[in-house]
Amino acid sequence: ETVMTQSPATLSVSPGERATLSCRASQSVSSNLAWYQQKPGQAPRLLIYGASTRATGIPGRFSGSGSGTEFTFTISSLQSEDFAVYYCQQYNNWPPFTFGPGTKVDIK
Amino acid sequence: QVQLVESGGGVVQPGRSLRLSCAASGFTFSSYGMHWVRQAPGKGLEWVAILSYDGSNRYYVDSVKGRFTISRDNSKNTLYLQMNSLRAEDTAVYYCAKDAGGWPTNLYYFDYWGQGTLVTVAS
Repeated sequence: ETVMTQSPATLSVSPGERATLSCRASQSVSSNLAWYQQKPGQAPRLLIYGASTRATGIPGRFSGSGSGTEFTFTISSLQSEDFAVYYCQQYNNWPPFTFGPGTKVDIK
Repeated sequence: QVQLVESGGGVVQPGRSLRLSCAASGFTFSSYGMHWVRQAPGKGLEWVAILSYDGSNRYYVDSVKGRFTISRDNSKNTLYLQMNSLRAEDTAVYYCAKDAGGWPTNLYYFDYWGQGTLVTVAS
């Protein structure tokens, strides 16, 4: 099973600042990595797939990069609606498809 | 617009069974693979199962193999999860999720999710 880890567990950021989240895979997942946003009481929402491609309707302030085992997700200028938990998910080595434990982005 | 609406959750005793349903609309259901993903209270996301567009291929996470069965009725645009021999550790919100790829190739990430249905396994 491919184990996904994310860091940091919590990131405190002021509105307007940049947020950078990391995701690491225990073995190569090529570029088969997605990022999701989840707000309290809501379902996850797809933000990024293919490590760097924004999903339909996702604002340009969200971006992803990386391949193999190391990935980065960036929010260039945090808006109030961006405070949430972010999960990475690999879909290269399956079953099972696996998620990271999440990074909570909260208000500094 | 794509809609996925789960139902069937509730409180159930350990060892008992429950069947979840996911009613789909707004897309050609019969052309897409579908998944179940769960989230224990206060925890992260765990993929549970996938079923191909035509129901011919299914895979599960090890922890539910032999206990859960994923199925679909394309004439009713509905996905199911039959859960038997339930355990306390199955307590979670269960989401159905649409695979982003259509026939003939799944993409294996999830572009639409339902709002989830809560399953609580407790005596």
